[in-house]
Amino acid sequence: QSALTQPASVSGSPGQSITISCTGTSSDVGGYNYVSWYQQHPGKAPKLMIYDVKSRPSGVSNRFSGSKSGDTASLTISGLQAEDEADYYCSSFTDSTTPVFGGGTKLTVL
Amino acid sequence: EVQLVQSGAEVKKPGESLKISCKGSGYGFANYWIGWVRQMPGKGLEWMGIIYPSDSDTRYSPSFQGQVTISADKSISTAYLQWSSLKASDTAMYYCAKSGDGYNFDYWGQGTLVTVSS
Repeated sequence: QSALTQPASVSGSPGQSITISCTGTSSDVGGYNYVSWYQQHPGKAPKLMIYDVKSRPSGVSNRFSGSKSGDTASLTISGLQAEDEADYYCSSFTDSTTPVFGGGTKLTVL
Repeated sequence: EVQLVQSGAEVKKPGESLKISCKGSGYGFANYWIGWVRQMPGKGLEWMGIIYPSDSDTRYSPSFQGQVTISADKSISTAYLQWSSLKASDTAMYYCAKSGDGYNFDYWGQGTLVTVSS
């Protein structure tokens, strides 16, 4: 059970859109529509932003959206705001019935 | 209001044992998975394992199998993570989280910082 693959960092200017990828295998991302995305600000607990590939919990801005194609899931943030600067982690259900995280992506808002 | 409240920070010596807790409130504790997550200093999140308090069905991530024990007492809505012999490499922040209606975790505890040092 290896960690999912995410880019170490992405950046964008306020108002722009960015996309973070999350690549796994057919044993996790590709095999199930159970990909979640979590946002973590420094010193804080993670926060669920997207679940089941593309669903948003109540209270999460519609600027956040998710998608999946094959073994790769993606998180898109549109209309970037300074408060979006954080670490983002994808997570997927797996064949071994325990979830697995990606390595995390640091988003910098320029 | 759903809340997960974790026990306080711990400072231990190598070889000592430790049990930290996560108390849920505001929802049916027994009927949702609780997961434990490790975050080593400056590093990413790692799932350690999950437990279903109703029947104590417990599943460990391969890296943590045999290294820790996850348990729960549904009568007091509390989940536990324990070590029998701590190592310096166990120094980390540990989070508990509650599953939502599916394979996601929608509420998180505030974290418990464990420091292991001689």
